[in-house]
Amino acid sequence: QQQVKQSPQSLIVQKGGISIINCAYENTAFDYFPWYQQFPGKGPALLIAIRPDVSEKKEGRFTISFNKSAKQFSLHIMDSQPGDSATYFCAASIEGSARQLTFGSGTQLTVLP
Amino acid sequence: DAGITQSPRHKVTETGTPVTLRCHQTENHRYMYWYRQDPGHGLRLIHYSYGVKDTDKGEVSDGYSVSRSKTEDFLLTLESATSSQTSVYFCAISVTGTEPQHFGDGTRLSIL
Repeated sequence: QQQVKQSPQSLIVQKGGISIINCAYENTAFDYFPWYQQFPGKGPALLIAIRPDVSEKKEGRFTISFNKSAKQFSLHIMDSQPGDSATYFCAASIEGSARQLTFGSGTQLTVLP
Repeated sequence: DAGITQSPRHKVTETGTPVTLRCHQTENHRYMYWYRQDPGHGLRLIHYSYGVKDTDKGEVSDGYSVSRSKTEDFLLTLESATSSQTSVYFCAISVTGTEPQHFGDGTRLSIL
């Protein structure tokens, strides 16, 4: 049973375009939503995270949009660059649970030059 | 980069053999985690530790055991490896369990 559903599975974007990855969750107890970026042969690295008390968080070209009522959150990558080509994972966790992360299935992003 | 070293980085073994993976950290973080990564499943938590000798099960703990005798080391053991345990295994650490987790670079394990 997958508690965090991520789409699309793969995404191809032209350089300079906007990349959008979506996630939906079921457990309303989740209160922390990070996004991880993973390059081949490397471990996931924290990219940006949001808590449900805000609807949007922006860090540079990366923005998380959060819709609590719809139980959905998304990652927007503005002005996408070939160096952004990687696999992106959304995740969710509950405070007090040792922050056990429940991950989405991942999105492989390819940014064409 | 967080000081996390996983060993070995690659291992090929046969069904039925015992396997131990090691995660070593130099950050003195209290929390340590073991995940497995499989296509279509993202990462799934196997076990985690919240202190020396304090461990708990994650989502996919069957067939795995862990031990933590020192703050810096967290061991994952497959007592009798099966082909379904072929995967990439990642260790992660966190200062308090509420702070973000930082991941190692993984161990690719193949069980033939």
